Amino acid sequence: SQKIEQNSEALNIQEGKTATLTCNYTNYSPAYLQWYRQDPGRGPVFLLLIRENEKEKRKERLKVTFDTTLKQSLFHITASQPADSATYLCALDIDTGRRALTFGSGTRLQVQP
Amino acid sequence: EPEVTQTPSHQVTQMGQEVILRCVPISNHLYFYWYRQILGQKVEFLVSFYNNEISEKSEIFDDQFSVERPDGSNFTLKIRSTKLEDSAMYFCASSEPSGGNYGYTFGSGTRLTVV
Repeated sequence: SQKIEQNSEALNIQEGKTATLTCNYTNYSPAYLQWYRQDPGRGPVFLLLIRENEKEKRKERLKVTFDTTLKQSLFHITASQPADSATYLCALDIDTGRRALTFGSGTRLQVQP
Repeated sequence: EPEVTQTPSHQVTQMGQEVILRCVPISNHLYFYWYRQILGQKVEFLVSFYNNEISEKSEIFDDQFSVERPDGSNFTLKIRSTKLEDSAMYFCASSEPSGGNYGYTFGSGTRLTVV
């Protein structure tokens, strides 16, 4: 069956460190993968998109990698801040034309000051 | 920055009643979506809408659900006869036609409580 798994429900790190979140999938061939941030009671906020033919994408302190052989995406936040505390969701779609994202369950990141 | 607007923010309804959730997508976006999130669970896809018709729907989106773009700005989700298990946060989203690198813009959601 198809699965998207994100590592650990919660991740606690110290301010200034790099947070690394993992998204693994099975029985999918995604055309692209997206990362979102979700705060309690709010809608997801888009962060980064990476396509199947891309290895890495960066945006300010954020970096995402995509390894279609390992069926894994890694999401990094460098120089983390308490304001980065939130739940981070990965989502994929098997077809750019289909436009139906499948979300993982998320990783709750807590950055301690 | 443009945003997706959803109303109401919270709706309480009795089981069996019809509800309409409303959304105003970003004006130059052409794809519109509804997702839902039951408390403590994953965000789940319901339906995508393009060019005035449904382009994709999930198994959740059965005959009790319908979507409509009644005018040039609004996008609605109707649940005909609500069940207790329809209680969830419902998110509307929109995206640019080409996908690009911009992902989806989600609204803040409507919390639907069926009693």
